[in-house]
Amino acid sequence: IQMTQSPASLSASVGDTITITCRASQDIERYLAWYQQKPGKVPKLLIYSASTLYAGVPSRFSGSGSATEFTLTIAGLQPEDFATYYCQRYSSAPRTFGPGTKVDIK
Amino acid sequence: EVQLVESGGGLVQPGGSLRLSCAASGFSFSVYEMGWVRQAPGKGLEWISYIGHDGVVTFYADSVRGRFTVSRDNVKDVMSLQMNSLRAEDTAVYYCVRDLHGGATPFEYWGQGTLVTVSS
Repeated sequence: IQMTQSPASLSASVGDTITITCRASQDIERYLAWYQQKPGKVPKLLIYSASTLYAGVPSRFSGSGSATEFTLTIAGLQPEDFATYYCQRYSSAPRTFGPGTKVDIK
Repeated sequence: EVQLVESGGGLVQPGGSLRLSCAASGFSFSVYEMGWVRQAPGKGLEWISYIGHDGVVTFYADSVRGRFTVSRDNVKDVMSLQMNSLRAEDTAVYYCVRDLHGGATPFEYWGQGTLVTVSS
């Protein structure tokens, strides 16, 4: 199963709402997670089961989708949100990651 | 506090071997499924290995299958990754990861990573 993400990168301003799309080449039900990684830092889990917010993650992050198409939305970008975001399927091995979407400041 | 501390990284020649360790603390190690994820310099995340809670079941990415072996010691709370026949493309930061909970779940905890450089 291949995972793709779009766009590969995007530029946005503080306060913007952005959406990142992740697509799976086969039906993965809702076994989809989103991670955030800042430069030089360890990835952090944001969302799992496609739409469940991990503990402590701000509510401006939301996820949706099922089967083969998923989205991560950040409503009202904050300065600390500029990072690279990865989706991942985890229902079975291989637990493939998407190639990532880099969000930077416009 | 959950901690995952990797060790064993370093510089190795192509064709060489290296053994990474991940020392776990702050949780019941034997209950959780674990794994390894790597990230080549400037690149994305690559899942490479999974090990079940009792060490019986293991899975590998195609890129490392037959060369890497994951194992765990549930007495010492340590997971290991034996890496053989190393190639330049194995150069990466290797992260130890722990599942969120039992079953098919994402990675809740990540170690700080250990850098493996394969070069002559």
